[in-house]
Amino acid sequence: DTAVSQTPKYLVTQMGNDKSIKCEQNLGHDTMYWYKQDSKKFLKIMFSYNNKELIINETVPNRFSPKSPDKAHLNLHINSLELGDSAVYFCASSQDGLAGPQHFGDGTRLSIL
Amino acid sequence: KNEVEQSPQNLTAQEGEFITINCSYSVGISALHWLQQHPGGGIVSLFMLSSGKKKHGRLIATINIQEKHSSLHITASHPRDSAVYICAVEGETSYDKVIFGPGTSLSVIP
Repeated sequence: DTAVSQTPKYLVTQMGNDKSIKCEQNLGHDTMYWYKQDSKKFLKIMFSYNNKELIINETVPNRFSPKSPDKAHLNLHINSLELGDSAVYFCASSQDGLAGPQHFGDGTRLSIL
Repeated sequence: KNEVEQSPQNLTAQEGEFITINCSYSVGISALHWLQQHPGGGIVSLFMLSSGKKKHGRLIATINIQEKHSSLHITASHPRDSAVYICAVEGETSYDKVIFGPGTSLSVIP
């Protein structure tokens, strides 16, 4: 069974479109995250939710809006996509907030045409 | 200067060699993670350390809080160890942001 699953795995779309990436974890963890990995392979945390509440919100454009309908799901919605949004987005979850080991999804490769 | 640095940036080793990857950081931390990113992109969390040393199979991770330094060792390296190894540190409060190092790309040649 996949512990942290993201969909879709690949997303190719045009500039200006709105898209969503879904993430689900079946580990019973309280905390979920979204990370962005840019072309230089740097990973940066974008958001963290603990029990459906926003905990970390790094400097991310307002076009990015996370939504957590329940503690097992954290979706990422992106409005008005721009070329610079092309990256791999990773979802992760952990128990005990950042103090616990994080389990990562396989990533969603977003390409903006 | 990055808050988390790793060395070397790239590493090629022969199968069976002992490998060391270093991570140094300049901020106060509560914990340090070592992550492995496979060529296909998937990320696996290898270790979480706040002090001392941890061992899992052929992997050993150590941390020296006073020196703000951590090492990841791989004994008897194997081609399947080829991956990018990423060091990440957590700030001192529970929900401080995580800062990632630039990664070390390891290739183990048969």
